[in-house]
Amino acid sequence: AQKVTQAQTEISVVEKEDVTLDCVYETRDTTYYLFWYKQPPSGELVFLIRRNSFDEQNEISGRYSWNFQKSTSSFNFTITASQVVDSAVYFCALSEGGYQKVTFGTGTKLQVIP
Amino acid sequence: DVKVTQSSRYLVKRTGEKVFLECVQDMDHENMFWYRQDPGLGLRLIYFSYDVKMKEKGDIPEGYSVSREKKERFSLILESASTNQTSMYLCASSPPGSVSGNTIYFGEGSWLTVV
Repeated sequence: AQKVTQAQTEISVVEKEDVTLDCVYETRDTTYYLFWYKQPPSGELVFLIRRNSFDEQNEISGRYSWNFQKSTSSFNFTITASQVVDSAVYFCALSEGGYQKVTFGTGTKLQVIP
Repeated sequence: DVKVTQSSRYLVKRTGEKVFLECVQDMDHENMFWYRQDPGLGLRLIYFSYDVKMKEKGDIPEGYSVSREKKERFSLILESASTNQTSMYLCASSPPGSVSGNTIYFGEGSWLTVV
């Protein structure tokens, strides 16, 4: 069975600090997809990134970067120079190849203090 | 731009009432989902539908049913609301085919309180 663990329930950082959100997953499939979503206070989950299991290249998008390591089954998310607008709940998610179900982690609440 | 619209943001219902949560998407997506979000539990899948009139149970279908009469609309029904169904409900949709690898697009959520 697939599982996603986000061990960090809440994180507080001061603005401009870097912060890493951890995500560890479990799956028996060799083909799977990993996602990160952001949920601001408004409630809507916003898609940030998708990565398939065959692409271990790290990705950078502005202040956001993602580190995918199959050896440790982790897909961590780093925000560089955090801003107050980054305050939100962040979810990591996993879907297995050919399977119509996405499993979400329990989320990490990030608070960026001005 | 992708849009998933949930008809009600905030609802307060009484125990035993029948509750309808409506969701509409404008992206011509085949797949639609209803999730429930609770603190410390993340998002849990209630039901999903991969075509009109088709539905599949998710992880926590008990106490819920769904209806999909038109492609763009997916309704969640609480036949007899109970206090333990107080939660945030999220509707979502994704493009056709297998969900795996497809980005899921979410609505803003419906906060349901059952008193």
